[in-house]
Amino acid sequence: GAVVSQHPSRVICKSGTSVKIECRSLDFQATTMFWYRQFPKKSLMLMATSNEGSKATYEQGVEKDKFLINHASLTLSTLTVTSAHPEDSSFYICSARRIREGGEQYFGPGTRLTVT
Amino acid sequence: EDQVTQSPEALRLQEGESSSLNCSYTVSGLRGLFWYRQDPGKGPEFLFTLYSAGEEKEKERLKATLTKKESFLHITAPKPEDSATYLCAVRDPYNQGGKLIFGQGTELSVKP
Repeated sequence: GAVVSQHPSRVICKSGTSVKIECRSLDFQATTMFWYRQFPKKSLMLMATSNEGSKATYEQGVEKDKFLINHASLTLSTLTVTSAHPEDSSFYICSARRIREGGEQYFGPGTRLTVT
Repeated sequence: EDQVTQSPEALRLQEGESSSLNCSYTVSGLRGLFWYRQDPGKGPEFLFTLYSAGEEKEKERLKATLTKKESFLHITAPKPEDSATYLCAVRDPYNQGGKLIFGQGTELSVKP
């Protein structure tokens, strides 16, 4: 299989605080990991692409200083939402792409972030 | 501009009523077309990858086919548990990192 986990699954935080979300590929090594945001009844919106050991590539319009991405190893990437505000409330999903494989991305279960 | 368009946006079927979902794409050199299933409040689940026109793949009641301009996801004798949003995506041909371009999805509802 190709299992990707995310932690936490749900988080509620106060406005102005920071939140870290972890994404792990459990049974494979990932060349690349991706972070998405999804609004209700909408498709996935890519935020950034990260490769192990290098800086993330952010999509146009995504604030790099607000959404910090660290890809520490071939099985772990983290997304930190800094100084969160209510408008950052959303469903965040990560995905991972296997080394030496096709273009399939395997998705985590998602993290529901609520900022009060 | 490379893009992916899915139709219909929503589809309601009776249990056992077979149908097809459509995914039209325009990319400069297809490097993979992907189908995913997404249940509410969960991440997408990988279903199929198709690479060349004429290719077909099957899994239980689902069969994916590919032409040079579109892909179909055929659902045979669907059951209520097939209710979900089905997403289609193609690999961005200009991105070396494997970025995917997603369609807006088709929300399938199967009633008993």
